[in-house]
Amino acid sequence: GENVEQHPSTLSVQEGDSAVIKCTYSDSASNYFPWYKQELGKRPQLIIDIRSNVGEKKDQRIAVTLNKTAKHFSLHITETQPEDSAVYFCAASTGFQKLVFGTGTRLLVSP
Amino acid sequence: KAGVTQTPRYLIKTRGQQVTLSCSPISGHRSVSWYQQTPGQGLQFLFEYFSETQRNKGNFPGRFSGRQFSNSRSEMNVSTLELGDSALYLCASSLVVDWTDTQYFGPGTRLTVL
Repeated sequence: GENVEQHPSTLSVQEGDSAVIKCTYSDSASNYFPWYKQELGKRPQLIIDIRSNVGEKKDQRIAVTLNKTAKHFSLHITETQPEDSAVYFCAASTGFQKLVFGTGTRLLVSP
Repeated sequence: KAGVTQTPRYLIKTRGQQVTLSCSPISGHRSVSWYQQTPGQGLQFLFEYFSETQRNKGNFPGRFSGRQFSNSRSEMNVSTLELGDSALYLCASSLVVDWTDTQYFGPGTRLTVL
């Protein structure tokens, strides 16, 4: 079955720096790749997603890139702010709403 | 629109008991997926229901079951609880315009098994 690896497990940056989180997936049939942000004690919230027919997608300070050949995708956050501090999860799906999640990255943005 | 809601928010049970968790999707959403979140195993897919039918299932034992009602509300049941079932159980709903629709999560039910 699908397996998603996520790196790094923790990431500390200074406010204003950029942060990059990388994921690789194993099933070449995966065609949907969302990213979720989960703050302590709260539900995961979708921050951006990308489908396999698109190589890059951007939404203000957040961007996601997808390399289908290498089977990896990345989350880029620019101009980080303290409120970006949270755990970020990548996921991959081959359909029917089954998301396979990475292990999460704890991002800490220091003022 | 109201978001995904889950009840109860917290549960404490003892080993061997059974438990039923409830999830109400966003109005108009027809798919409900369930996930288990633990510090050790992360977020793991349990199963997904669409139009009262289970379409997909994860690698969990048969003690974990679910169902969906005609109004799209879903319940999840865990029988013969084990200590390892302690987790945050999240449900997510999606509209299902296509099969890669965005999933919106509920706040979760925190289950503690003593």
